Amino acid sequence: NAGVTQTPKFQVLKTGQSMTLQCAQDMNHNSMYWYRQDPGMGLRLIYYSASEGTTDKGEVPNGYNVSRLNKREFSLRLESAAPSQTSVYFCASSEFSNVGGRVDNSPLHFGNGTRLTVT
Amino acid sequence: KNEVEQSPQNLTAQEGEFITINCSYSVGISALHWLQQHPGGGIVSLFMLSSGKKKHGRLIATINIQEKHSSLHITASHPRDSAVYICAVSGNEKLTFGTGTRLTIIP
Repeated sequence: NAGVTQTPKFQVLKTGQSMTLQCAQDMNHNSMYWYRQDPGMGLRLIYYSASEGTTDKGEVPNGYNVSRLNKREFSLRLESAAPSQTSVYFCASSEFSNVGGRVDNSPLHFGNGTRLTVT
Repeated sequence: KNEVEQSPQNLTAQEGEFITINCSYSVGISALHWLQQHPGGGIVSLFMLSSGKKKHGRLIATINIQEKHSSLHITASHPRDSAVYICAVSGNEKLTFGTGTRLTIIP
C-alpha cells in the first residue's frame, strides 16, 4: 500500500522556468491538498480539491495552478517559477464528508515532500 | 480564521522524561490532528481526535473542547522521539496548522 506518492523529491529551477509536481493516492480519498512549508511558518494551503474535477484556492495560491483530473491524482504547476517559491511542498489526502451538518474527517496522509529551489 | 498556537516552540529533555506539548485554538473545530515530522523527513499523522483522549504506545493525546486546548504527552521519552510535532485543526475540509514544537531528546 503506497499511500500518497509525490514526485519529484528534489528540483532546482531557474527563475521563469515551469514545472509540475505530481501527486497520487491509492486510498480512494475524496480530498487532496497541496501545502508549502517554510522555516518558522506552519504548513500553508496552496490549493485543495474536495472531489474529482473540483479545486479551490487556499491561503497562498498566487503563482500556482492545479489539476484534479481523476480521484487519484492532483498535480501542482508552477508556470513561471520565482525565488519566493523556494520551499518544501507536500501533497496530502484525506476522506472528508459533511452530511446533514455531521462532519467526518479521516487522518491526513502526506507525501514525502518535494524540496524546490528557484535560483 | 482559526488561530493555532503551540507551546513550547522548542523543548530539550533527557531520555526518560515525561514530555508535554500544548496546542490552543481560537474557533470551534470538528477535529484536531497531531502530526510528527522527523528532520528531513515526511509528515506522519499520530492522532486525530474530536473529544476525550487517545493513546498509542507511549503517546497520549487529550483534548478539551470547552477550553479549546489539546495536549500531546510522551511517556518515557527516547532519542528517536526527537522530531517536530505539529498541531492542526479542521472545521471543514481545510486545516489550520500550528508552527510546530521542535523536540530534542538527549540520551
